[in-house]
Amino acid sequence: AQSVTQPDIHITVSEGASLELRCNYSYGATPYLFWYVQSPGQGLQLLLKYFSGDTLVQGIKGFEAEFKRSQSSFNLRKPSVHWSDAAEYFCAVSNFGNEKLTFGTGTRLTIIP
Amino acid sequence: GAGVSQSPSNKVTEKGKDVELRCDPISGHTALYWYRQRLGQGLEFLIYFQGNSAPDKSGLPSDRFSAERTGESVSTLTIQRTQQEDSAVYLCASSLGGREYGYTFGSGTRLTVV
Repeated sequence: AQSVTQPDIHITVSEGASLELRCNYSYGATPYLFWYVQSPGQGLQLLLKYFSGDTLVQGIKGFEAEFKRSQSSFNLRKPSVHWSDAAEYFCAVSNFGNEKLTFGTGTRLTIIP
Repeated sequence: GAGVSQSPSNKVTEKGKDVELRCDPISGHTALYWYRQRLGQGLEFLIYFQGNSAPDKSGLPSDRFSAERTGESVSTLTIQRTQQEDSAVYLCASSLGGREYGYTFGSGTRLTVV
């Protein structure tokens, strides 16, 4: 069965600093990979997705993620965080031909001045 | 509407009662999903509807859970004989045609079973 691991439950970074959120997945074939953000009191919003092609994908709000098959990873990055980036971030994976998304347990991001 | 609408936003119910949660997807979105988010956990898939095809019910945790959708419109998730472990936020999402198009999530229904 597919699974997603987000090893960092909570990360704190200073405003303006760079950010990397880790995501590892377990699945044999090429997965469909997603990053979602959930701001307090709001629904989840899609940041970016990877299906095939260029392994570095650009998303909204200045985020990017890189698919590394050899490491089974799909880490999310941002070169300079803003206070408005404080939220919960979820990585998700789906098999080819399967609409079901499996979500990680999330990483809560706190931004300090 | 402009987004996915869920109602009620909050629901407190007594253990053993039945509850019904509603989801209004974005007009034209053929795919609709229900997920459950327990406190401090990731989202659990419950059920998926695509057009008039048979739904994928593989995520429903027990036979107390059921969901319906008529065509490409409103969906209802029903939980019978609620238990305390059913307390969670229930999220609905819709998509134009599947995950490749991305999901649009509603704000969820927070269910508390007392």
